[in-house]
Amino acid sequence: DAGITQSPRHKVTETGTPVTLRCHQTENHRYMYWYRQDPGHGLRLIHYSYGVKDTDKGEVSDGYSVSRSKTEDFLLTLESATSSQTSVYFCAISDLDTQYFGPGTRLTVL
Amino acid sequence: TQLLEQSPQFLSIQEGENLTVYCNSSSVFSSLQWYRQEPGEGPVLLVTVVTGGEVKKLKRLTFQFGDARKDSSLHITAAQTGDTGLYLCADTGGGNKLTFGTGTQLKVEL
Repeated sequence: DAGITQSPRHKVTETGTPVTLRCHQTENHRYMYWYRQDPGHGLRLIHYSYGVKDTDKGEVSDGYSVSRSKTEDFLLTLESATSSQTSVYFCAISDLDTQYFGPGTRLTVL
Repeated sequence: TQLLEQSPQFLSIQEGENLTVYCNSSSVFSSLQWYRQEPGEGPVLLVTVVTGGEVKKLKRLTFQFGDARKDSSLHITAAQTGDTGLYLCADTGGGNKLTFGTGTQLKVEL
C-alpha cells in the first residue's frame, strides 16, 4: 500500500468553526489531491497540488483552502465550516498515471 | 462539464452469478479508469483503458471500452463475496485531474 495517512479519521464540529485536515505521504510523489465523497456524486476534486507551494482549484473549491509547505504534507482548511461540508474527505497522491488514495476522514458539521 | 453516469446505482446478487455494470460519459473520455472502493477505505485502481474497443481482463473481471470512447462496461464472472464494494469509473482528463462517475454499489451475498 502507498504510504498515505490522513488525520483525523473522524471529526465532529460545529457550524462556523475552522477545521484543518491533514494528509501525509511517505512516497515523495509530486502530486497531491483532496476529494470529497457524497452519496450520488462519486468523488469530486476540491484542490490539488503539483509541487511545494503550487496548488490549484478543482471542481468544488468554494469554502476550502489548501497549503503545501513540504512535499509530504497537504493540508485542507475549512475556514468556517458549514453543514453542506459534511462529507467524507479523501486525499490522494500520484506519480504520473496512478492515483493512490488515503483511508479518508469523515467530517460532520452540526 | 463532463457528466459520468453509472448504472445500475445498486446491485445485489448471489455468489456465483454474473453481472455487468456500465459507465457512460457525456463527452469522449481521455482515458478511463475503473476503481473499487471497500467500506471505510479509499478507492483502489483496477484498470486503465485508453483505446476505443479495448478489452482488458483482470482474473474474473472484464473491462470493455466503447469504440467511440464514450462508454465502458465492467463484467464480473461468477461473483464472490469479496467483490462487494463500490465500483467507480473515472476520466483522467488527459492529465492528473480525475472526474469520477456516480458509482455502482455492488453487494454479493452467499
